[in-house]
Amino acid sequence: QKEVEQNSGPLSVPEGAIASLNCTYSDRGSQSFFWYRQYSGKSPELIMSIYSNGDKEDGRFTAQLNKASQYVSLLIRDSQPSDSATYLCAVIFNGGSQGNLIFGKGTKLSVKP
Amino acid sequence: SQTIHQWPATLVQPVGSPLSLECTVEGTSNPNLYWYRQAAGRGLQLLFYSVGIGQISSEVPQNLSASRPQDRQFILSSKKLLLSDSGFYLCAWRGAAGINSPLHFGNGTRLTVT
Repeated sequence: QKEVEQNSGPLSVPEGAIASLNCTYSDRGSQSFFWYRQYSGKSPELIMSIYSNGDKEDGRFTAQLNKASQYVSLLIRDSQPSDSATYLCAVIFNGGSQGNLIFGKGTKLSVKP
Repeated sequence: SQTIHQWPATLVQPVGSPLSLECTVEGTSNPNLYWYRQAAGRGLQLLFYSVGIGQISSEVPQNLSASRPQDRQFILSSKKLLLSDSGFYLCAWRGAAGINSPLHFGNGTRLTVT
């Protein structure tokens, strides 16, 4: 069973704080991991891709991957009210047909001014 | 640059009516194309994907079908809609970067079946 698990939230953080979003996946052999942001009523937009263990930083966003623990996270530094959205974790499972992405149900983030 | 277009943006259809949603991609050739559905309170569910003209793979058996009549066109259809078909339908593409690269989504179609 290919599963991607996320805490549904809502996760509430004050403006300027660090938001930490977590995701676990079921297949230890998975190689490709993504974070998408989805505003209410809109389509998902890609924030980060990560393929290797460790941290990957892009502006205020840092993705962290630990394949041994089957865990991927997203840190948002200096959180802004405009970061309020649902964050989707997606995984391409090892052996998955044509690289199809399996999504978690998402974590809703609320950044309070 | 690559862009993806989906239409219509919203649709209200009665139960038993037909459905046709269209998606086109610009700025790339031979993309992999995908249809996902996001139902209320549920995650994104892969419905169909296509690696080329006329090549369709179904991930979930249901009363929907897909077709790819042209390289950059992907169509989702139904002959008779069910209430359970309501949801947010998203078309996505992946280009030549390989099957481990991310997907990029269109703006989606919100379908309400009444």
